[in-house]
Amino acid sequence: DIQMTQSPSSLSASVGDRVTITCRASQAISHYLAWFQQKPGKAPKSLIYAASTLLSGVPSKFSGSGFGTDFTLTISSLQSEDFATYYCQQYYSHPRTFGQGTKVEIK
Amino acid sequence: EVHLLESGGGLVQPGGSLRLSCAASGFTFNKYAMSWVRQAPGKGLEWVSTISDSGGSTYYADSVKGRFTISRDNSKNTVSMQMNSLRAEDTAVYYCAKNDLVIPFDYWGQGTLVTVSS
Repeated sequence: DIQMTQSPSSLSASVGDRVTITCRASQAISHYLAWFQQKPGKAPKSLIYAASTLLSGVPSKFSGSGFGTDFTLTISSLQSEDFATYYCQQYYSHPRTFGQGTKVEIK
Repeated sequence: EVHLLESGGGLVQPGGSLRLSCAASGFTFNKYAMSWVRQAPGKGLEWVSTISDSGGSTYYADSVKGRFTISRDNSKNTVSMQMNSLRAEDTAVYYCAKNDLVIPFDYWGQGTLVTVSS
């Protein structure tokens, strides 16, 4: 199975900050990497697929990059609605696996 | 507008069974694979199972293989998961998710809570 490791597990940031979350796969997964946002008590929301492609309606302050084993999610200017937990997920092979999540909290 | 509505969750004793259903609308159901993803209380997301658009192919996490069975009825736009031999560690919110051709899990339902406890 492919293990997905996110870092950090949590971070504190202020409104307006630039935030970067990293995700590392235990083996190469090409560009088959997605990012999700989840707010407390809510279902996850899909943000990015194919490592860097934003889903329709996702604000351009979100961006993704990477290929192979190392990936990043960047929020260019954090807003109050962005405080949430973010998950990466590989869909290169079964079983599909998620990272453990990164909780973005208000400083 | 895509809409996924899960049902069937509840409290069940260890060793018991439960059947979850997901009613889909707003898209051509028989053209897309469907999945179940779960989240234990206070924990992260765990993929459980996926079924292809025709139902001809199914995939399972090792943690549920042999105990859970995913199925779909394309005439009723529903996907189901029969869960047998339930364990305490199966306690979670179970989400139904649509699989786009190139986007994994592009839409999610609101989830249904399964609690396995005596």
